[in-house]
Amino acid sequence: QITLKESGPTLVKPTQTLTLTCSFSGFSFSTSGVGVGWIRQPPGKALEWLALLYWDDDKRYSPSLESRLTITKDTSKNQVVLTMTNMGPVDTARYYCAHRLPGVDTFDLWGQGTMVTVSS
Amino acid sequence: QSALTQPASVSGSPGQSITISCTGTRSDVGGYYYVSWYQQHPGKAPKLMIYDVSNRPSGVSNRFSGSKSGNTASLTISGLQAEDEADYYCSSYTGDSIYVFGTGTKVTVL
Repeated sequence: QITLKESGPTLVKPTQTLTLTCSFSGFSFSTSGVGVGWIRQPPGKALEWLALLYWDDDKRYSPSLESRLTITKDTSKNQVVLTMTNMGPVDTARYYCAHRLPGVDTFDLWGQGTMVTVSS
Repeated sequence: QSALTQPASVSGSPGQSITISCTGTRSDVGGYYYVSWYQQHPGKAPKLMIYDVSNRPSGVSNRFSGSKSGNTASLTISGLQAEDEADYYCSSYTGDSIYVFGTGTKVTVL
């Protein structure tokens, strides 16, 4: 059974760097094609894709946010970490991590999300 | 990367069929057969309902179906039920492992 869970600060100040961790179980990065993505959703607004990390350490970022994002993995801990620099109020959102189904370009299972508020 | 365009809201009576559109460009919806649909109930995480335009994951009701024509993908819910009331989002692969989501549609069961 695949599960994912996001963790990180609930409140960050403007200009600070956000670090979020996705802890998962039920799959591993040793499986070819596996990926973990990050998606966010501001309150009352639509989903926005942020980044994707593949089993082979290939990384992809949203073109509009690429300069601010870094995605990494700790295979031994079954974790994926997303950092976002220079946070602002518009980055207030619920941040989700999700499992990419090998061989299929979709996110089949999602974590519950973690709410991040940017405010001084 | 612009968000895919969906109607803000769609409604229907129980038992009816409704269709939600998702319009993109040749660079996303029109260029690939990698369109997904997600259902999101209030306060919950999105749930995958359709992938690769028309495939249903195991456990998803066959009342949900997907299709695509040109730059527009569609999700049809037949035999509408009260539990189908939720927000629905489409998503498309855009090449080079980049993804884009739709603007979201609120489905109301009258």
